[in-house]
Amino acid sequence: DTAVSQTPKYLVTQMGNDKSIKCEQNLGHDTMYWYKQDSKKFLKIMFSYNNKELIINETVPNRFSPKSPDKAHLNLHINSLELGDSAVYFCATAGGNYEQYFGPGTRLTVT
Amino acid sequence: GNSVTQMEGPVTLSEEAFLTINCTYTATGYPSLFWYVQYPGEGLQLLLKATKADDKGSNKGFEATYRKETTSFHLEKGSVQVSDSAVYFCALSRRSGGGADGLTFGKGTHLIIQP
Repeated sequence: DTAVSQTPKYLVTQMGNDKSIKCEQNLGHDTMYWYKQDSKKFLKIMFSYNNKELIINETVPNRFSPKSPDKAHLNLHINSLELGDSAVYFCATAGGNYEQYFGPGTRLTVT
Repeated sequence: GNSVTQMEGPVTLSEEAFLTINCTYTATGYPSLFWYVQYPGEGLQLLLKATKADDKGSNKGFEATYRKETTSFHLEKGSVQVSDSAVYFCALSRRSGGGADGLTFGKGTHLIIQP
């Protein structure tokens, strides 16, 4: 049983399209995150949700919109995709012990 | 703001060599500190953590000690294996306490172990 799963694993799409990435966790954690890893492997937090409420919203273009239908899911919707959005996107969860658990990542390629 | 600085890679070592990857941080309050490892094509796995000063985190032969006086959390291993080849990230929690905190990451150190 995978603790944090993401779909799809790979996503190739053209500029201007709208796409979504889904994340599900079965750890029962209250908090979920989205991180972006660029081509140089640098990781930066994008969003944090605690119990379906947005807690952190870093300086991310408003083309990115997280949606949490319930505590176990945090999806990322991206409108009007740009070349610079190409990256690996990681979902993560955290319980009360400061540890974060990461999904396998979704590699987004915008052509 | 908070930041993490770690040595640039790639770091190339021979099998059974001693490993040190330096990590220093800048933070307000009392952050928790972490080392994560990323194997090729995979997500990040927590390697070890320390939540207060002088704590030592350890796992799979890796160790790191939370040094508040030098704001450091260096990763060490006495004898590395080829299977340790990966990218290692030092990270801190953005505030002290609270599971809702995001992590601030260093830029990652690519470790290559040669047989």
